[in-house]
Amino acid sequence: QVQLVESGGGVVQPGRSLRLSCAASGFSFSRFVMHWVRQAPGKGLEWVALVSYDGRNKYYADSAKGRFTISRDNSKNTLDLQMNSLREEDTAVFYCARSHYDFWSGPDSWGQGTLVTVSS
Amino acid sequence: QSALTQPRSVSGSPGQSVTISCTGTSSDVGGYNYVSWYQQHPGKAPKFMIYDVNKRPSGVPDRFSGSKSGNTASLTISGLQADDEADYYCCSYADSYSLVFGGGTKLTVL
Repeated sequence: QVQLVESGGGVVQPGRSLRLSCAASGFSFSRFVMHWVRQAPGKGLEWVALVSYDGRNKYYADSAKGRFTISRDNSKNTLDLQMNSLREEDTAVFYCARSHYDFWSGPDSWGQGTLVTVSS
Repeated sequence: QSALTQPRSVSGSPGQSVTISCTGTSSDVGGYNYVSWYQQHPGKAPKFMIYDVNKRPSGVPDRFSGSKSGNTASLTISGLQADDEADYYCCSYADSYSLVFGGGTKLTVL
């Protein structure tokens, strides 16, 4: 059974940094592309970033480029998102998600999310 | 990376059918068959309902179906049930290596 458990959310001041983590279990982690997707309070889903099977290829939404870094550790079955220069508009629930069968087939399994609140 | 366009809300009575549209451009929905759909109940994580325009993951009832014509994808739910009441989101691959979601549609079962 696929399980994705996010952690690391919390309240942070604008301009500061935060690192999110996602622990994966129940599947062969290194065989799947992974995503971060976020959802601002009361708003829709927004794709944030994707990392390839081996961590070499990374893609970002325009809103994340230059500030966020996605990474993975296949030896520990973990996915991370380093977020720098945080803005109030980054306030959202951040979901870790597994891609269905290739890079762009869409996420098929999601964690329960971790809330990031950016506020002074 | 503009969001795909979905109606804000749709509604239907139990047993009826509803269709939710998702309009993009030739750079996303119209250019690729990487269209997926998600159901989200309040306070819950999204659930994967349709992929590759019209394929159902195992466990998703065949009451849910997907299609695409030009730059518009559609999700049709037949035989509406109370538990279908939720938010629905479309998602597509877009040029320049990104995914884009729709703004979401609230389905109300009357």
